[in-house]
Amino acid sequence: GQQVMQIPQYQHVQEGEDFTTYCNSSTTLSNIQWYKQRPGGHPVFLIQLVKSGEVKKQKRLTFQFGEAKKNSSLHITATQTTDVGTYFCLPDQGAQKLVFGQGTRLTINP
Amino acid sequence: DADVTQTPRNRITKTGKRIMLECSQTKGHDRMYWYRQDPGLGLRLIYYSFDVKDINKGEISDGYSVSRQAQAKFSLSLESAIPNQTALYFCATSGGGNQPQHFGDGTRLSIL
Repeated sequence: GQQVMQIPQYQHVQEGEDFTTYCNSSTTLSNIQWYKQRPGGHPVFLIQLVKSGEVKKQKRLTFQFGEAKKNSSLHITATQTTDVGTYFCLPDQGAQKLVFGQGTRLTINP
Repeated sequence: DADVTQTPRNRITKTGKRIMLECSQTKGHDRMYWYRQDPGLGLRLIYYSFDVKDINKGEISDGYSVSRQAQAKFSLSLESAIPNQTALYFCATSGGGNQPQHFGDGTRLSIL
């Protein structure tokens, strides 16, 4: 079955430092979505990547999809306290597989 | 999203009780999902439905059942609640294909 690994599980940074979370699949993906969940909130969709090698940016956030479409990353440049939360990937292997990554919880020291 | 409404928001109940969590949506989406979230374990899919006549088990369906009463309504039942079902439960909806999921605010369920 589909194996999804999201790392790291936790990350604590000083405000202004960069942050990266990775989502790795054992199988080729048709696409991958990223979500953010603020403390006490619900997951909110950030972006979807579809093409091999795709890179998308949203202000300080950069999303990448690997050439083999098995890996993806979310990078935040110069974190701010508003970035606090848990970031989840949702890889799509097709065949209606819906398995979220375990999430990376980001905390920030102001 | 206010378009996805979960009731109740919080519930405390006792072992062995039957519990129903309800989800309604005004987004007109065909697809609806139930997840549970436990600390450190992320979101795990319980059941999902791609239209009114379609019900599918997710990763952790044991101990749960669902009903898709209408396009807009998808309820989750715990027939005989047990303490390890204490968790935060989310309902989500999406359009067809690869459309993103839209989550409700969650139901925090505690079973004593």
